[in-house]
Order: sequence, then C-alpha cells, then structure tokens
Amino acid sequence: DAKTTQPTSMDCAEGRAANLPCNHSTISGNEYVYWYRQIHSQGPQYIIHGLKNNETNEMASLIITEDRKSSTLILPHATLRDTAVYYCIARPYGQNFVFGPGTRLSVLP
Amino acid sequence: NAGVTQTPKFRVLKTGQSMTLLCAQDMNHEYMYWYRQDPGMGLRLIHYSVGEGTTAKGEVPDGYNVSRLKKQNFLLGLESAAPSQTSVYFCASSSVTGGYNQPQHFGDGTRLSIL
Repeated sequence: DAKTTQPTSMDCAEGRAANLPCNHSTISGNEYVYWYRQIHSQGPQYIIHGLKNNETNEMASLIITEDRKSSTLILPHATLRDTAVYYCIARPYGQNFVFGPGTRLSVLP
Repeated sequence: NAGVTQTPKFRVLKTGQSMTLLCAQDMNHEYMYWYRQDPGMGLRLIHYSVGEGTTAKGEVPDGYNVSRLKKQNFLLGLESAAPSQTSVYFCASSSVTGGYNQPQHFGDGTRLSIL
C-alpha cells in the first residue's frame, strides 16, 4: 500500500480556499486516493475520492497530479465548521483503509 | 436516514469485565468494519466482515471477537476487558455496488473506558 505524507497542521482564514496537500509518491496504478475528515471526536466523514481524474462534489475538489504522486484537497470557501483533522488515504482497489495521523486544519476567523 | 448507528455511546468497565458493542447499518451494505482510535492517532482496523456469517482479522484483532449474524449488524465483543482497550471504537460500512472502490461510512463512535 502506498504511504501518504501530509503536513501535521495548517491554518486557513475563514472564507478563503483551503488547499490541503498529500504526497503519495509510491502509489500504484490500482490505488484510489480518498479524503476523509474528523471533526472533534465525531466519526470520520467521507469527503471525496478519485483515481486519476480531478473530482468535484458539493463539499470539495480533488486535484490529482498527472503522475499521481501527489494530490490536493480544496475546500473552496472554508468556514469555522471545516476545522477538523483531514486524512488522505491511498487505498488499493478492494483493500482496507489505512488511516495515518492526518492534517489538523484550523480555520481562523 | 440513520446510516451507521453504534450502541452504546459511552461505557465504563472494570478490568476483566466483558461487553458487546453493537453496530447497525440501514444502507444494505455488504461490508462492515470495526476500528479503534487512541488519542492523537489515526484509526486502526480491528476486524471486518465482507458478508453475513463471515469475519476477518484486521491490524489489531487481539482481545476482540466479532460476529455478523445478520447483514445489518456487526457486533464487537471484549471477553475480558483490559485497560489497554480504553479507546474510541468506530464502526463503518461500505457497499460493493458500483465496484470495490466505494467509500466507507462511519458511525459516531463508542467511548470505552476500562478501569
């Protein structure tokens, strides 16, 4: 399984875009990139996932580089409620998820 | 629209006691999972099930047992609780409809303290 590397923490001003990077330089061809977040002590919340194309949904956008060695999760207009730990996971097709420590995003007023 | 429901939400046990955590999902998902999360750490997989009547070990299975007698329920048992099992336990489920790349959906957790 590809190991992912994320910054330990990031700050973002309220109303601005939050860009969360993830490095997965050893990713293989059948590994999808998933993003989850965990607000305080709640259960992880699914955000978005993709294989090689950029993806967008009502919560966020996922930008995957052409070589697939890194990706960026974009929250277009961050709010205080987006303060959470964000997990980037590279998961082989049909395999189990492996959660790392993630990035603690603080949205500041 | 309940999704994944975990029971109980909080529990305090004494060392050596036993208990069962219940996870129920109403999304007709085939796969179900149990994770634990210790302070400041990511989630670690305990056991999982790919269908009714089947279970498999995850990363940290020791000290736990599971059962999946019905498709919608996944039970996690602690036969003899130890202080090292103090943690927050999360259940998740996922569908295979549309492929094995479907995301997992999580419950809100059970906070378990063992004295």
